[in-house]
Formats: sequence, structure tokens, C-alpha cells
Amino acid sequence: SQQGEEDPQALSIQEGENATMNCSYKTSINNLQWYRQNSGRGLVHLILIRSNEREKHSGRLRVTLDTSKKSSSLLITASRAADTASYFCATDRADKLIFGTGTRLQVFP
Amino acid sequence: DSGVTQTPKHLITATGQRVTLRCSPRSGDLSVYWYQQSLDQGLQFLIHYYNGEERAKGNILERFSAQQFPDLHSELNLSSLELGDSALYFCASSQPPNYNEQFFGPGTRLTVL
Repeated sequence: SQQGEEDPQALSIQEGENATMNCSYKTSINNLQWYRQNSGRGLVHLILIRSNEREKHSGRLRVTLDTSKKSSSLLITASRAADTASYFCATDRADKLIFGTGTRLQVFP
Repeated sequence: DSGVTQTPKHLITATGQRVTLRCSPRSGDLSVYWYQQSLDQGLQFLIHYYNGEERAKGNILERFSAQQFPDLHSELNLSSLELGDSALYFCASSQPPNYNEQFFGPGTRLTVL
């Protein structure tokens, strides 16, 4: 079963625009992570935010976490065509990751 | 490149057959995880091994089994294959204390005809 749901399911934007994806989860967490998956390929770890953190940055990525609302958001600023991929949030529970349903991001040049 | 390798990249086989997927974790990582990604189920955790021992099981069918060898590579064995087993199978590795920061291999795409 999946812990998280992501919203929107799909997002299309122009290069240079910002992309925001949201993730909601059901139970309490230790960490929340975001992964990127290019079409049919492996998952690339983007960023991990701990339950006691509210915001984290990595390059053009900004992640926020609101544990009271059980939600997280991933913001990609100044998007590029190479950012086209599916993005998944994942929460941890007893040594395993539980993934959300993913957001498919399409960035048009 | 995550440092996790998986072979083969693609596998096409028939219903009823048995296949073995192989994974080599990142150097120094003791934990290996297997996940299945299918269109209807999404990404699902199957099983976790730590230093040769099974640590956790997820939605893994009885027809599936795994093991981790002394050199830390792992194999996922799928038997009596059904059409519905067609999926991408990923392995990931990690090391303590950041055991949940998992690094994924490129996956094996299994097609059962």
C-alpha cells in the first residue's frame, strides 16, 4: 500500500518557470525524501528532510515539510527541459520506504 | 550513477518460468532492498536484507524469494511467473546511520509473455 499521494498527478510548464509538487502522507514519519525518475529508469535521490526540519534547499530544489498537516512540497525553480521526469515522495517506516503515487513533470523548451 | 548495479537490464520470459535478478550494492553498503514498480501498484517494497540476514518483508509473493550473499550482492528469485509479474524491479542500498537514504540501481525490466 502507498503511504503518500502526490498532487498534481501531472504538470506541464515552460522552461524557466517554477514547478511545485505536493505530497501528503498518512502516518507519523522520521524522514521524508524526494526522488526523481526519468522515464522507465532508476530513481535518483534528490533530498531528505527530517521530521524536525521545516525547510531544506539543494541547488534549485526547495523542500518544505509540515508535520501537522502531514504534507510536504517540492519546488523546482527556473525549470529546465532536463527536469522532465516523474517525482516521488517517500516516507520511511521500519527500514523500508513507502512511495507516493508520483507527479509527472513535463518541461517544454 | 548511484553505484548500485543490477543485471540484467531487460528480461523477457514466458509464464511459468523462473528468473533470477542480481544486484550489487554500493561499496560499503550492508543493506539491500528490493522494490517492484508496476503500473497498477506503483512502487512497492518487497524485502530488505542487512549483512546477509532478512530484516523486513513487504508485499512479496510466496513465489518470490531473495538472498544476500557474503560478498553482499543480492539475488531476487521469481518463480512460476505470471503475466502480472511484469514490472520494473529495483534494488537499492544504504548504510547506517542513514539507512533510509537509499540509492537505487537502474532496475531490471521483466516482461512475462
